[in-house]
Amino acid sequence: EVQLVESGGGLIQPGRSLRLSCAVSGFTFDDYAMHWVRQAPGKGLEWVSGVSWNSGSTLYADSVKGRFTISRDSAKNSLYLQMNSLRAEDTALYYCAKSSQYSSSRGHFEYWGQGTPVTVSS
Amino acid sequence: EIVLTQSPGTLSLSQGERATLSCRASQSVSSSYLAWYQQKPGQAPTLLIYGTSSRATDIPDRFSGSGSGTDFTLTISRLEPEDFAVYYCQQYGSSPLTFGGGTKVEIK
Repeated sequence: EVQLVESGGGLIQPGRSLRLSCAVSGFTFDDYAMHWVRQAPGKGLEWVSGVSWNSGSTLYADSVKGRFTISRDSAKNSLYLQMNSLRAEDTALYYCAKSSQYSSSRGHFEYWGQGTPVTVSS
Repeated sequence: EIVLTQSPGTLSLSQGERATLSCRASQSVSSSYLAWYQQKPGQAPTLLIYGTSSRATDIPDRFSGSGSGTDFTLTISRLEPEDFAVYYCQQYGSSPLTFGGGTKVEIK
């Protein structure tokens, strides 16, 4: 059974940093690209970032480029999102998602975690 | 960036009725890399349709997808109680990957 479990969210002040994690199981982690998607309260889905199977390619939404960094650790079967210089508009539920492909720029999202909430507020 | 516009914003229908959801792209979606997701309140999205018309695992055949280029449609042939939810389209053919704003299917 495929499982994706996010963690690391919380209440954080503007300008500070936070690191999200996503622990995966039930599939060969090294074979697939992974993504982060967020959903602000009461709003729709926004793709945030993706990383290819071998970390060779990373993609970011313009809204987070230069502030967020996606990474993965095959030894730990984990995906990460380092979020720096956080803003109020980054407040959202952050989901990790498994791609159907190895490439970061292709592939639909086959499986999703339950999300970890991030609230940026002073 | 490919902007996806979903319509209508809300669809009010009764159980057993047919639902037709539209997703229009600002430019052609390459190789029909278009997916649909369902999201119920308090839950993560789940994949319904990928590649414009392929149903994901365990998705009932009352869900179907069609379209090409810039116009795509999700059809639910006969609404069941569990189908009342929000539906999002997504293009994954070019970066940045983008989602539509969603269509809420509510009970009339």
